[in-house]
Amino acid sequence: AQSVAQPEDQVNVAEGNPLTVKCTYSVSGNPYLFWYVQYPNRGLQFLLKYITGDNLVKGSYGFEAEFNKSQTSFHLKKPSALVSDSALYFCAVRDFPSGGYQKVTFGTGTKLQVIP
Amino acid sequence: SQTIHQWPATLVQPVGSPLSLECTVEGTSNPNLYWYRQAAGRGLQLLFYSVGIGQISSEVPQNLSASRPQDRQFILSSKKLLLSDSGFYLCAWSPERGLSYNSPLHFGNGTRLTVT
Repeated sequence: AQSVAQPEDQVNVAEGNPLTVKCTYSVSGNPYLFWYVQYPNRGLQFLLKYITGDNLVKGSYGFEAEFNKSQTSFHLKKPSALVSDSALYFCAVRDFPSGGYQKVTFGTGTKLQVIP
Repeated sequence: SQTIHQWPATLVQPVGSPLSLECTVEGTSNPNLYWYRQAAGRGLQLLFYSVGIGQISSEVPQNLSASRPQDRQFILSSKKLLLSDSGFYLCAWSPERGLSYNSPLHFGNGTRLTVT
């Protein structure tokens, strides 16, 4: 069964500093990986995805993620954190079981706190 | 462009009362539709998914049911709410299987349900 792990419950970073939110995955076959962000009392918003191709994926709001097959990781990064980046971040892996729907497994989420 | 609407945004219901949460999608046809529950502000649990009108699959046994009376309408229901049904309910859509290879899930803004 596929799974993702987000080892950090919370990450604190000073405004202007680089940030990293960690994610590792376990899948059989090729991984389809995603990052989502959730602001309080809102739904999840898509940030970026890795399907195939370049290991460095660029997404919305200046975020990027680095796919590392040997380490089975897909860490989310941003060169300079903003206070407005404070939110809950989810890593996810997707599969397509029989039945025609997307089976998405989410990590437990990492709360990012950017300190002014 | 596609949009997804969920209502109500918040709901307080007594134990034993019925429930009906509605989700509609605009700007697309034949979407795959999903109901998730997020407990304690973190983990997301897939409750139901639907690949077409009248086609509902349940991921976990529970006190809830789902229906899809129209192509872009997805309803989450209960005949008698339990305290444990409290949570944040999220509706999501993705393109139908043949078109969803590279597509993320698109989430509504959720319904905060409190059962008292």
